[in-house]
Amino acid sequence: QQQVKQSPQSLIVQKGGISIINCAYENTAFDYFPWYQQFPGKGPALLIAIRPDVSEKKEGRFTISFNKSAKQFSLHIMDSQPGDSATYFCAASMQSNYQLIWGAGTKLIIKP
Amino acid sequence: DTAVSQTPKYLVTQMGNDKSIKCEQNLGHDTMYWYKQDSKKFLKIMFSYNNKELIINETVPNRFSPKSPDKAHLNLHINSLELGDSAVYFCASSRAREQFFGPGTRLTVL
Repeated sequence: QQQVKQSPQSLIVQKGGISIINCAYENTAFDYFPWYQQFPGKGPALLIAIRPDVSEKKEGRFTISFNKSAKQFSLHIMDSQPGDSATYFCAASMQSNYQLIWGAGTKLIIKP
Repeated sequence: DTAVSQTPKYLVTQMGNDKSIKCEQNLGHDTMYWYKQDSKKFLKIMFSYNNKELIINETVPNRFSPKSPDKAHLNLHINSLELGDSAVYFCASSRAREQFFGPGTRLTVL
């Protein structure tokens, strides 16, 4: 029940296309859902986060869509660029314990 | 002005040795973490620590121990290193829900 399931494991998208990464969770106590971006040789860094009181949050080309009833959330990268090539992690946490529960990661490659 | 720093960046050592990785944060955060990232990129939390409480992931062998000399530092000591300890280790600190990661230490056990 503590797991966050992330898919796909890897994704190749053409430059200019839309990249979509999906995550699903079971624990309804989760109330914070961040996405982290990790470039090779670097630590993960917060990209964008959402709380379950909204269904969508957009920051530039990055959008989180959140479906509370389905217990799913996804990251959409519009107009994907080669510089977006990285590993993306979804995560979740709850109010009583800020520890992040991590998805397994998605390696995204944007082809020029 | 690095927020979370780790030393060393790379660590190559023989099986059975004892080693330490240092972590410092200058963000004034109360909570710090150690993560292990394996070759498949999976992030596994090992410890979370604030100035009052240490939470240990029960799956972490007791050969691993965090040591915090003060609020800005959380070092990781590893005794009797094994081949399976080879991984990238990340230190992180947090303000509320957001975690800030260090650059990682790549540990290779031969």
